[in-house]
Amino acid sequence: EAAVTQSPRNKVAVTGGKVTLSCNQTNNHNNMYWYRQDTGHGLRLIHYSYGAGSTEKGDIPDGYKASRPSQENFSLILELATPSQTSVYFCASGVGPQNTLYFGAGTRLSVL
Amino acid sequence: QQKVQQSPESLTVSEGAMASLNCTFSDGTSDNFRWYRQHSGKGLEVLVSIFSDGEKEEGRFTAHLNRASLHVSLHIREPQPSDSAVYLCAMSSGGNYKPTFGKGTSLVVHP
Repeated sequence: EAAVTQSPRNKVAVTGGKVTLSCNQTNNHNNMYWYRQDTGHGLRLIHYSYGAGSTEKGDIPDGYKASRPSQENFSLILELATPSQTSVYFCASGVGPQNTLYFGAGTRLSVL
Repeated sequence: QQKVQQSPESLTVSEGAMASLNCTFSDGTSDNFRWYRQHSGKGLEVLVSIFSDGEKEEGRFTAHLNRASLHVSLHIREPQPSDSAVYLCAMSSGGNYKPTFGKGTSLVVHP
């Protein structure tokens, strides 16, 4: 069954540390996305990718980097984590132009 | 950038009663619309996609789109307690693969 798998599911990090969130999809979708979800803000797009080797800035990219080394894998990197990056992060894949998104189960990140 | 407003923020209904959720958007450039459901602690799952004015039914879920009114709605027929979740609408333009999401409506279905 096609799926989007995120790891880790939960993460506690220290301020100033480096955090890498990973996402793997077996949908063979070209497009992949990283969102964060916060109360009062809904889902906000951080970075996205159209395919291996490409990354694009979303609506709130500051403080985040992304890497798409292959069709299947898309990582979100916080080089210097801050408490304001405490959130639930979702990865999704999709194929356009219809582009229904298929989401992972989320990663809960706490930066202390 | 497209702005999306969902209403109500929360809704409580009894099992079996119709549940109606609304989404308004700021301009008419979007041409594909979706409703997603998110159970507590889980990811989002798509319920129904609609691409032209009118209605689209997927099982107990029916979406209505009126682009002239900048409005898309979701109606849940015979809701069950297992439908208790947050419902989000999302939209994008055909050439833009970046969906914009509303903040969601929290639905509680009482037995």
